[in-house]
Amino acid sequence: DAGVIQSPRHEVTEMGQEVTLRCKPISGHNSLFWYRQTMMRGLELLIYFNNNVPIDDSGMPEDRFSAKMPNASFSTLKIQPSEPRDSAVYFCASTATDSGNTIYFGEGSWLTVV
Amino acid sequence: GQQLNQSPQSMFIQEGEDVSMNCTSSSIFNTWLWYKQEPGEGPVLLIALYKAGELTSNGRLTAQFGITRKDSFLNISASIPSDVGIYFCAGRYYSGSARQLTFGSGTQLTVLP
Repeated sequence: DAGVIQSPRHEVTEMGQEVTLRCKPISGHNSLFWYRQTMMRGLELLIYFNNNVPIDDSGMPEDRFSAKMPNASFSTLKIQPSEPRDSAVYFCASTATDSGNTIYFGEGSWLTVV
Repeated sequence: GQQLNQSPQSMFIQEGEDVSMNCTSSSIFNTWLWYKQEPGEGPVLLIALYKAGELTSNGRLTAQFGITRKDSFLNISASIPSDVGIYFCAGRYYSGSARQLTFGSGTQLTVLP
């Protein structure tokens, strides 16, 4: 079975550039989560969607970050403009609310902003 | 908000030894999950626990959901080199739409041959 699929796996970009991270959740899962992981702060929830609707975006650091989920099989996390402090690993995860709510993670998008 | 304390932060053990790590919470959870993360990869689910007192095994791994619903432990028996990685506990409390995980800070496990 295909797991959560994220792209790109690695991205290096210059400060000020727009970054778009993409995620395809596991088919049939109706909740999707975006996490950020850094050495200093560990895993932080940025935003999560339920049935394509953003439920809690209180973890989004600031207005430079935005996330969309136009349909059940695709989500994006956008950073515009990017800053060096945004360098981190961004994970997408998904779950089905009738499966015990076990969350499955993608392999992550490793972002470096120089 | 809910706080999760995971310990130890790191462990260096000899191959073949047993390992134990735990997480405690300031409030109750309905679900405890244990994940393993290897370098360059995302967290992979190891064990999920849904009931207080539940004891679940997955090969050499055993995890328990504490009776108080505020703690959980993970044991690894007869460790092998491929057990190396960071182990995260995560808890969830269902409260309306608050279906989110709270993660521990991780236990970095090193297995020496």
